[in-house]
Amino acid sequence: AQSVSQHNHHVILSEAASLELGCNYSYGGTVNLFWYVQYPGQHLQLLLKYFSGDPLVKGIKGFEAEFIKSKFSFNLRKPSVQWSDTAEYFCAVSSGAGSYQLTFGKGTKLSVIP
Amino acid sequence: NAGVTQTPKFRILKIGQSMTLQCTQDMNHNYMYWYRQDPGMGLKLIYYSVGAGITDKGEVPNGYNVSRSTTEDFPLRLELAAPSQTSVYFCASKDGGGAGSNQPQHFGDGTRLSIL
Repeated sequence: AQSVSQHNHHVILSEAASLELGCNYSYGGTVNLFWYVQYPGQHLQLLLKYFSGDPLVKGIKGFEAEFIKSKFSFNLRKPSVQWSDTAEYFCAVSSGAGSYQLTFGKGTKLSVIP
Repeated sequence: NAGVTQTPKFRILKIGQSMTLQCTQDMNHNYMYWYRQDPGMGLKLIYYSVGAGITDKGEVPNGYNVSRSTTEDFPLRLELAAPSQTSVYFCASKDGGGAGSNQPQHFGDGTRLSIL
């Protein structure tokens, strides 16, 4: 079974600092990769997704992620965080064609200090 | 366009009571899912459905039941509530047309359930 690891449980940054959240998955075949964000008290919203093509994916609100197949990684980045980025971030993976299930990581809570 | 709608938003149950969490989507999505979210544990799949009349177990189905009589509705039933079922429950749906597995899931606002 596939699994997803998010290495950081809680990250605390000051505004304008750069962000990188790690995500590694364990599945040897074709994967589809997602990052979701959950703002306090809200539901999960899609930040970005990768399923083929350019391994550098740009999402909403200035976020991007890079798929590195050799490292089984899909790290999320943002050059300069804002207080409004305070949220929990989830990496999720589905295996290739024919799979309709997502496996989620445990999440990384980001706190941005003004 | 409402998307995925869950009711109720909050509920407190006594041990042994039963209840149904409602989920409705208006996007004509084939695929629907129920997750539970516990602190520090991410989301765990309880049940999912690939279309009306078809349901299947996810990772943590024990203590729950589902049905899918229409495309729009996917209720989750707790028959005998237990404290271990205290959690936040999210319903999600996904478009399954074409290369279905790369479509994102759309989530509802969640139901916060406490069992006392």
